[in-house]
Amino acid sequence: SQTIHQWPATLVQPVGSPLSLECTVEGTSNPNLYWYRQAAGRGLQLLFYSVGIGQISSEVPQNLSASRPQDRQFILSSKKLLLSDSGFYLCAWRAGSASLRGYTFGSGTRLTVV
Amino acid sequence: AQSVTQPDIHITVSEGASLELRCNYSYGATPYLFWYVQSPGQGLQLLLKYFSGDTLVQGIKGFEAEFKRSQSSFNLRKPSVHWSDAAEYFCAVGGASGNTPLVFGKGTRLSVIA
Repeated sequence: SQTIHQWPATLVQPVGSPLSLECTVEGTSNPNLYWYRQAAGRGLQLLFYSVGIGQISSEVPQNLSASRPQDRQFILSSKKLLLSDSGFYLCAWRAGSASLRGYTFGSGTRLTVV
Repeated sequence: AQSVTQPDIHITVSEGASLELRCNYSYGATPYLFWYVQSPGQGLQLLLKYFSGDTLVQGIKGFEAEFKRSQSSFNLRKPSVHWSDAAEYFCAVGGASGNTPLVFGKGTRLSVIA
């Protein structure tokens, strides 16, 4: 069966420090991968998505970047964190060839920038 | 551009009472519609989805939703709410391909009182 892993679960980082959040999917190949951020009262904001290795689409220009170095690995990064980067980050995947499925979400990373 | 509106930020219902959460969407093509539920600090779990066919869809945990194309709505219902249903509920709309990521509403927080 397919599973999605996200880590770490919680993270407290100082302003100006770098960030790396990792998401991996098991049990499938060529998934579509997504990074969302959830801030209080603002729902889920799509940050990046990828339909294949090395293919990244950015929805919101900001202090973050994403990479997909392997088929089932999706990384969210920042060189210098801002206070406004605090939030709950969710990774999700959908089968690339079976679009009738919804997304499956990871358990999320709670990031607090101090 | 696609969008989702959940007009109710917070709803409180008594245990055993019926529930309806509203969702209106804007989408230029055939919409794929979803409802997700999120418990505090957790990822999102898919409740149900609609792609085509019968406009009344059944989901997990006794939830159902009705698609009304003329009203651009996809409201979620449950005939009898349980205390364990207290959570945040998100409606989402998207397309068939990975290049049309899901767009989420801002969510409705459900509280259940005895």
